[in-house]
Amino acid sequence: EAGVTQSPTHLIKTRGQQATLRCSPISGHTSVYWYQQALGLGLQFLLWYDEGEERNRGNFPPRFSGRQFPNYSSELNVNALELEDSALYLCASSWHGQETQYFGPGTRLLVL
Amino acid sequence: AQKITQTQPGMFVQEKEAVTLDCTYDTSDPSYGLFWYKQPSSGEMIFLIYQGSYDQQNATEGRYSLNFQKARKSANLVISASQLGDSAMYFCATGDSNYQLIWGAGTKLIIKP
Repeated sequence: EAGVTQSPTHLIKTRGQQATLRCSPISGHTSVYWYQQALGLGLQFLLWYDEGEERNRGNFPPRFSGRQFPNYSSELNVNALELEDSALYLCASSWHGQETQYFGPGTRLLVL
Repeated sequence: AQKITQTQPGMFVQEKEAVTLDCTYDTSDPSYGLFWYKQPSSGEMIFLIYQGSYDQQNATEGRYSLNFQKARKSANLVISASQLGDSAMYFCATGDSNYQLIWGAGTKLIIKP
C-alpha cells in the first residue's frame, strides 16, 4: 500500500511569490494535516482537513491556506512568501476520527 | 491544554546498548493517546509506537517499547539493542480532543559505533 506522497520534494521561490505544495493521503484516509518545521525546530501545526472541510488551523497568517479535494488529496498555498517561510512542510494523513498520523516525505521550501 | 515535555535535547549512546528517551505529558482529558515518532535526517516523520491511556499493557513494537507510567504522567520510549540506523530525532506527542497532535521539542539521538 502506498504511503503519503508529497510534491514537489524541493521548491525554491523568491520573496513575494506564491508556493503550492501538494499531498496525497494513504488510500482510505480522509484527514490531511499540514505542518511547518523550520530548521532545527519542532513541528508547528498549520491546517487540518477532513472530508473536504477545514477543521482547524494553527497560529499562522491567512496567507497560508489550502484545500482538500474530493479524492482527499490536499494542497497548501503560501502567498506573499517571506524569507522565514523557508522550512520543511510535512503532510500527514489519518483515518477519520483516528489520532495516529502517517507522514509523507515532506517538501523543502526555500525562499530567497 | 495538553503539553508534552522532552527534557533531553540530545543523547549519545553506544551501539547495541538500550536507550530510554524521556517524555512527560500534561493533559486534562480522561482518555488520551501517546505517540512516538522518529525523524531521520531525510526529514520524513516515521510513526513508531502508540499507547492508549486505558491500555493495561505497555505497548511494544519490535525493538521499541513504551514505558507508560500513568501516575507519573510519563511515556518514555525504550529502544533495545540500539543500531546505527537509530540515529535520528525522536518526538513524543499526544492527541487532543480535536484529534490534533501536540508535539514535544524532540530528542536528538546519536548512536556511536
